[in-house]
Amino acid sequence: AQKITQTQPGMFVQEKEAVTLDCTYDTSDPSYGLFWYKQPSSGEMIFLIYQGSYDQQNATEGRYSLNFQKARKSANLVISASQLGDSAMYFCAMREGGNFNKFYFGSGTKLNVKP
Amino acid sequence: DSGVTQTPKHLITATGQRVTLRCSPRSGDLSVYWYQQSLDQGLQFLIQYYNGEERAKGNILERFSAQQFPDLHSELNLSSLELGDSALYFCASSVADRTVETQYFGPGTRLLVL
Repeated sequence: AQKITQTQPGMFVQEKEAVTLDCTYDTSDPSYGLFWYKQPSSGEMIFLIYQGSYDQQNATEGRYSLNFQKARKSANLVISASQLGDSAMYFCAMREGGNFNKFYFGSGTKLNVKP
Repeated sequence: DSGVTQTPKHLITATGQRVTLRCSPRSGDLSVYWYQQSLDQGLQFLIQYYNGEERAKGNILERFSAQQFPDLHSELNLSSLELGDSALYFCASSVADRTVETQYFGPGTRLLVL
């Protein structure tokens, strides 16, 4: 089974609107961390936000927030007030407590922000 | 800028050749991770070093090897290169080696095998 699933290969959003990028994960480990990274066309991987499995509140970092629904094993990224510079690939990733040496990445979602 | 540096940025070589990719982690980071990103395989974890010692192996081929030096920089050696090894190779670093740690990625090395 896939550890991380991103079901949206591509998405469009109008500038200044909010957008949600979906991510579901699969683990039986009670301790894990969930991450989102942004990869612009230039290729670098930029860390956006982190959510720990024991965190009671959803993580937020500026315009990014993580909608963490533990029972559903989902960790959706919400970008508010989209900007043209948000156009990029977005990857969801997970690290398990019992196997924390490995990072599992999803296949990514290509976000295009339209002016 | 994540603070992780990788050299070279681009590398073009021929099948059968050997190349070395270099990574310097962020100041203070002890863990270094290597990843391969290709169009068909996505982002794949290759190997991790922590303070000079190998900690975990992922989908790393036997033709590939890595090491972390006392100054904590790391090198990934790719030998007997094949066309399918063409990819973007990332190095990432983190402070230590814990679940909650975020990995910070370098800009990557684009390898093209002709």
